[in-house]
Amino acid sequence: EVQLVESGGGLAQPGGSLRLSCAASGFLFSSYEMNWVRQAPGKGLEWISYISSSGTTIYYADSVKGRFTISRDNAKNSLYLQMNSLRAGDTALYYCARGGAYYHSGTYYRSGLDYWGQGTLVTVSS
Amino acid sequence: DIQMTQSPSSLSASVGDRVTITCRASQDISNYLAWYQQKPGKVPKLLIYVASTLQSGVPSRFSGSGSGTDFTLTISSLQPEDVATYYCQKYNSASRTFGQGTKVEIK
Repeated sequence: EVQLVESGGGLAQPGGSLRLSCAASGFLFSSYEMNWVRQAPGKGLEWISYISSSGTTIYYADSVKGRFTISRDNAKNSLYLQMNSLRAGDTALYYCARGGAYYHSGTYYRSGLDYWGQGTLVTVSS
Repeated sequence: DIQMTQSPSSLSASVGDRVTITCRASQDISNYLAWYQQKPGKVPKLLIYVASTLQSGVPSRFSGSGSGTDFTLTISSLQPEDVATYYCQKYNSASRTFGQGTKVEIK
């Protein structure tokens, strides 16, 4: 069974830092792309970061670029999000989500975010 | 960056009604479009990928269509358990932007 379990959320002061972790199990972690998605209270989903299966390709949303760093440790089946210079607007439930994939006629295709963790809540407040 | 715009932002329909939600991309995204369902207090769930392929286990009353810039999610016969917010997402390039969501309620 695929499981994604986030941790590391909590209360942080504006300008502070937090490091989120996502422990993966039930699948070959090193073969899958991973993402972080957040949802502010009562708001919609916001994609914030992507990392390729090897960790060599990384993307960020403009809202977090330069402040957040995504990384992964395939030996530990873990995904991370280092969050610096936190702002009140970063208050949200943070999800890690697996980038699904499938093969058709020998070609690799992406298939959206097929598994999500339960999320970890980050609150930025003084 | 490519923007994803959903319409309507909310709708109310009767059980058994056909419901259609539209997602428009500001630039051509081919068919790299996914739809998600998020029930109140729950984790988002992948419904459809590559614009029209149903994720395993998703009821057949859900369907997706479109390519390029215009996409549609259709619920052929709305059920009480379909009350949720639905999101589209592009995943063809660096930015994996979501639409703003469409809240579906029962009339």
